Amino acid sequence: DGGITQSPKYLFRKEGQNVTLSCEQNLNHDAMYWYRQDPGQGLRLIYYSQIVNDFQKGDIAEGYSVSREKKESFPLTVTSAQKNPTAFYLCASSTTGTSGAETQYFGPGTRLLVL
Amino acid sequence: GDSVTQMEGPVTLSEEAFLTINCTYTATGYPSLFWYVQYPGEGLQLLLKATKADDKGSNKGFEATYRKETTSFHLEKGSVQVSDSAVYFCALGAQKLVFGQGTRLTINP
Repeated sequence: DGGITQSPKYLFRKEGQNVTLSCEQNLNHDAMYWYRQDPGQGLRLIYYSQIVNDFQKGDIAEGYSVSREKKESFPLTVTSAQKNPTAFYLCASSTTGTSGAETQYFGPGTRLLVL
Repeated sequence: GDSVTQMEGPVTLSEEAFLTINCTYTATGYPSLFWYVQYPGEGLQLLLKATKADDKGSNKGFEATYRKETTSFHLEKGSVQVSDSAVYFCALGAQKLVFGQGTRLTINP
């Protein structure tokens, strides 16, 4: 079955520690995205990538980093510079057509908690 | 910048009631509009979408019409079920999406 997988489901971070969230897709999509979801709020875009080896900052990129070395993979690193990392992190992917209505497909999410 | 405003939740209804979740937007140009649904502990799933003014998106009994004159994309369903309990997000955009804050819906039997 095609889809998006995220791991781990739960992740714990200690003070001063960097952690990496995994996102893999087998939908052959060119574009991938990372969102942060806080309780009672909508999703906010952290980073996105429309092609391998290229990515752009979203609205809340500070304290996060990404890489896009393979089409299928778009890992997100939450660095120690991110002072409030506790949140639900969602990865998504889509095609990059010109219709303006490309559907984004979401993974199941990773919940990050700070110890 | 572009923004989406949804009606405040939570919304609680009885089974078979009529549902409306309001969504209004501000945007430059004419973006596509989407409704996504999130079930507990899961990611988001596309519920429906509309790409231009007066388009109606529909899926699983849910409908929403792209109203340019009122900058709205309200979600409606004629008879809700317990299984419709979830959080609903309105969003706009093309490659980059802007999401509303979400509306939590609970349907009681």
